[in-house]
Amino acid sequence: DAGVIQSPRHEVTEMGQEVTLRCKPISGHDYLFWYRQTMMRGLELLIYFNNNVPIDDSGMPEDRFSAKMPNASFSTLKIQPSEPRDSAVYFCASSGFGTGGGSYTFGSGTRLTVV
Amino acid sequence: AQKITQTQPGMFVQEKEAVTLDCTYDTSDPSYGLFWYKQPSSGEMIFLIYQGSYDQQNATEGRYSLNFQKARKSANLVISASQLGDSAMYFCAMRGGAYKLSFGAGTTVTVRA
Repeated sequence: DAGVIQSPRHEVTEMGQEVTLRCKPISGHDYLFWYRQTMMRGLELLIYFNNNVPIDDSGMPEDRFSAKMPNASFSTLKIQPSEPRDSAVYFCASSGFGTGGGSYTFGSGTRLTVV
Repeated sequence: AQKITQTQPGMFVQEKEAVTLDCTYDTSDPSYGLFWYKQPSSGEMIFLIYQGSYDQQNATEGRYSLNFQKARKSANLVISASQLGDSAMYFCAMRGGAYKLSFGAGTTVTVRA
């Protein structure tokens, strides 16, 4: 099991550019979550999916943020246009509640810097 | 709405001693789960321990134990025999009925040799 895979690990971009973060969840997991971590706000849930369907996107900060899950093995978080205040670590996590327990497994995160 | 409170921003502990990290929570969900995660300086989120709201016994995982007091809505993490590698940020988290995992602000633990 390769775990949750996120790419890229680091991203530096200029203000106004489009940024796409990618996530591959653990095979068989039916829930996928996107979190943002900053010093000021801690770990915030942005959006989560169940069986590829967005369930709650109330944490998405602005319309500049969008997320998709076209299939069970891939999800993207897109920021367009990016702003310096979007600089943060973005985590993807997956979970398989149908298997019991429901531990959430996190990816290694993407450190985004917008200059 | 769910709320998780960790009141200790930072703690120091001597190597080989035990340390208790406080966590209180608030939820209206009758069924919920409580988690602790470790985040070392390298940044990854490492799952440590889980306690279900209906579990009768406190969860234990090696040197980690969760002191669950349901009536007081507390879920403190106890790390026994601290090691230098335990120096990290520790997050308490709660899952409610909607499967959303919400986090506390975290506690930084520094283990001294």
